[in-house]
Amino acid sequence: EAGVVQSPRYKIIEKKQPVAFWCNPISGHNTLYWYLQNLGQGPELLIRYENEEAVDDSQLPKDRFSAERLKGVDSTLKIQPAELGDSAVYLCASSKDGLMTGELFFGEGSRLTVL
Amino acid sequence: ELKVEQNPLFLSMQEGKNYTIYCNYSTTSDRLYWYRQDPGKSLESLFVLLSNGAVKQEGRLMASLDTKARLSTLHITAAVHDLSATYFCAVDGPGGGADGLTFGKGTHLIIQP
Repeated sequence: EAGVVQSPRYKIIEKKQPVAFWCNPISGHNTLYWYLQNLGQGPELLIRYENEEAVDDSQLPKDRFSAERLKGVDSTLKIQPAELGDSAVYLCASSKDGLMTGELFFGEGSRLTVL
Repeated sequence: ELKVEQNPLFLSMQEGKNYTIYCNYSTTSDRLYWYRQDPGKSLESLFVLLSNGAVKQEGRLMASLDTKARLSTLHITAAVHDLSATYFCAVDGPGGGADGLTFGKGTHLIIQP
């Protein structure tokens, strides 16, 4: 079974430029999460989707961040414009039975460097 | 606000030694998760602890959960170099597993030959 797939793995941009990250969850997983991981820290939740609905985006900085999950499968996270402080790893995770065990499966992440 | 604290944050130990990593959390939760992360890699699920008193073991790692004390431990027995990694504990959000997980800052473990 394929795991959570993210792209790109690495992205270097200049500040004020836009950037987008893509995530394909494990097949059959209805719940999708975007997490932010700063260097030396644990992941922090940005947004959670149940199918195509964003059910928790309270931690998403909405002035510059946006996300979508069309058709309840793939998801895209966008930053526009990027700031220096956005340099981090953006992790996508999915779960099948979030209400049962809550176990999340993570992708390898997209590492963003803003210059 | 749910807070998850791990200690120690950094640990250097020799092969063959035993050690324990502690994870405390601030609000009631019956479920706790341990993940491993290698440098530049994603998080790999190690243990899912779903009830008070749960104990799980895999190789040289053993995890336990005491929900009354809001404490989980990850015990390493006879450490080997391959266990060098960062270990995270995570707890369900207030709404249960579907809210996503709140992670500790991680314990960076280095095991020296």
